[in-house]
Amino acid sequence: DIVMTQSPDSLAVSLGERATISCKSSQSLLYSNNKNHLAWYQQKPGQPPKLLIYWASTRESGVPDRFSGSESGTDFTLTISSLQAEDVALYYCQQYYSTPWTFGQGTKVEIK
Amino acid sequence: QLQLQGSGPRLVKPSEALSLTCTVSGGSVASSPYYWGWIRQPPGKGLEWIGSLYYRGTTYYNPSLKSRVTMSVDTSNNQFSLNLSSVTAADTAVYYCARQGTGYNNWFDPWGQGTLVTVSS
Repeated sequence: DIVMTQSPDSLAVSLGERATISCKSSQSLLYSNNKNHLAWYQQKPGQPPKLLIYWASTRESGVPDRFSGSESGTDFTLTISSLQAEDVALYYCQQYYSTPWTFGQGTKVEIK
Repeated sequence: QLQLQGSGPRLVKPSEALSLTCTVSGGSVASSPYYWGWIRQPPGKGLEWIGSLYYRGTTYYNPSLKSRVTMSVDTSNNQFSLNLSSVTAADTAVYYCARQGTGYNNWFDPWGQGTLVTVSS
């Protein structure tokens, strides 16, 4: 199984500041289509996860552009450029390179 | 707008089977190119993919649960179902149903609200 490791487990950021979440995969997620098979989700309290980003850096329709994804080898980053109050949530990465499809353990983002 | 709604018993006894159904509205379970999946989240923990199926019957199960999982689809009622046998307290979780892309597009979107299932005598 591909292991997805997120860091940190939690972080507190001031409103308007940048939040950065890391996700590392235990093996390459780069497929023959030259894309990294990685998605990011946001889960607010009491709600199901919501897709934010796929192909490591493609924003889902309707997702604010303060959310961005980047990739470097087996290291992936989700950045919230200017944290808003409504961004308080858990964030998960998911690899869809191979089954079993696996998720990171989650990163909790709070307001400092 | 596609919506998914899970339903089923909220309390299951140890050693019995957990059965959940996901009803799809605003779209068809028989539409391609989509799988239909189940993911669970134990209280305070992360997400675990359980399995996915295609309306024609192809199934993919997490090897860690494969011996206990059965998934099926009912196109006439626009539903798909999960059966997890011989449950223990470790199976207590919120169970989510979700649509999943096929081919290279295997992310999950959208997700249903989730059903909390507690395993307890």
